[in-house]
Amino acid sequence: SQQGEEDPQALSIQEGENATMNCSYKTSINNLQWYRQNSGRGLVHLILIRSNEREKHSGRLRVTLDTSKKSSSLLITASRAADTASYFCATANDMRFGAGTRLTVKP
Amino acid sequence: GAVVSQHPSWVICKSGTSVKIECRSLDFQATTMFWYRQFPKQSLMLMATSNEGSKATYEQGVEKDKFLINHASLTLSTLTVTSAHPEDSSFYICSAAPGQGARIYNQPQHFGDGTRLSIL
Repeated sequence: SQQGEEDPQALSIQEGENATMNCSYKTSINNLQWYRQNSGRGLVHLILIRSNEREKHSGRLRVTLDTSKKSSSLLITASRAADTASYFCATANDMRFGAGTRLTVKP
Repeated sequence: GAVVSQHPSWVICKSGTSVKIECRSLDFQATTMFWYRQFPKQSLMLMATSNEGSKATYEQGVEKDKFLINHASLTLSTLTVTSAHPEDSSFYICSAAPGQGARIYNQPQHFGDGTRLSIL
């Protein structure tokens, strides 16, 4: 079974707006990872957040983790057309991925 | 940074052909590699966990005789789709991380660029 499930499934925004994607999981985790996939390519690692961390930043990316709710969110600020991609979360326990969020940023 | 190379990137072949896909860790040793399959606009489905020097662990519903995995060295795992049919057409992706055991699950995975397999 999939560990991480993202929502929304699809998100369309204008350039400059912020994009927020959510991930829910079912069991205890050591860490949670967010990845990005451009169409027809492999996944690229974005951020790893450990179970004892609540928030982590990397450039325009901000990830939060709420272990009590078994959920995480990925915020992309000041989005760009180049951010158009699918975004996936994965829990470290088994490296399974959810359905992902397809983000479209319109120029 | 750590790099995983996957080859070929694209293959088209006739039904009944066996196709081998290679996944190499270029600058680190990988005792474990993961193989995924992805259908258009869908998520990655974990097919199997490849273990160097031992048998792969297959996910439920994945035929081990259909998808042969060999992890003969610390830098190379291969996935062979045997007697491929049109329904095997898909995007196959591998990933790996340095280290061994539980440690590999506590660091970023590095993905190959995928192999698009089309069976006619």
